[in-house]
Amino acid sequence: GEEVAQTPKHLVRGEGQKAKLYCAPIKGHSYVFWYQQVLKNEFKFLISFQNENVFDETGMPKERFSAKCLPNSPCSLEIQATKLEDSAVYFCASSPIPLNTGELFFGEGSRLTVL
Amino acid sequence: KQEVTQIPAALSVPEGENLVLNCSFTDSAIYNLQWFRQDPGKGLTSLLLIQSSQREQTSGRLNASLDKSSGRSTLYIAASQPGDSATYLCAVDGAEKLTFGTGTRLTIIP
Repeated sequence: GEEVAQTPKHLVRGEGQKAKLYCAPIKGHSYVFWYQQVLKNEFKFLISFQNENVFDETGMPKERFSAKCLPNSPCSLEIQATKLEDSAVYFCASSPIPLNTGELFFGEGSRLTVL
Repeated sequence: KQEVTQIPAALSVPEGENLVLNCSFTDSAIYNLQWFRQDPGKGLTSLLLIQSSQREQTSGRLNASLDKSSGRSTLYIAASQPGDSATYLCAVDGAEKLTFGTGTRLTIIP
């Protein structure tokens, strides 16, 4: 596709439930990034992939968060046993080349609300 | 640890005025700097990308400058229009991931 497609747009979960978000990067883009926007403008890096390989996962809360990018499937971000503080908008972004030489293209985000 | 700050946090100007948004970063070892706009409830739209070797980039009414040694970038918007109302974010890449600024919420008054 010509844009980064994220689903669902909105997701509501009770505390302790599982949440799974999906991202289809732009066709031909090898690099995928996940960001979390908690307050209005605070973007936190979570994880990046180069194709199906984890490139950088230094931002991931490893106890409950996991992510995958498998061939021929949308990338996914899964949160086990959600907590209230996981309420945020989760953005996926993709790039065709390494980030140090190219720009990042963002999806419209998935808003997770944990009650 | 890289920290990116944007001043002011909010700005309101009458339509037609020229304006400047500021971005500063603490670690000058960056590959590039990118300016985005975010409309309410939407994702980020890339406006301009400046490589570390460049001093400025222009796109239409937008001009972004970069002074890597002093850790500063500015986004200049000429002849502002109501459609320019949005939150503007700068982000720097120093380690194959973007560190975002705090954003400037811009309102253009018709």
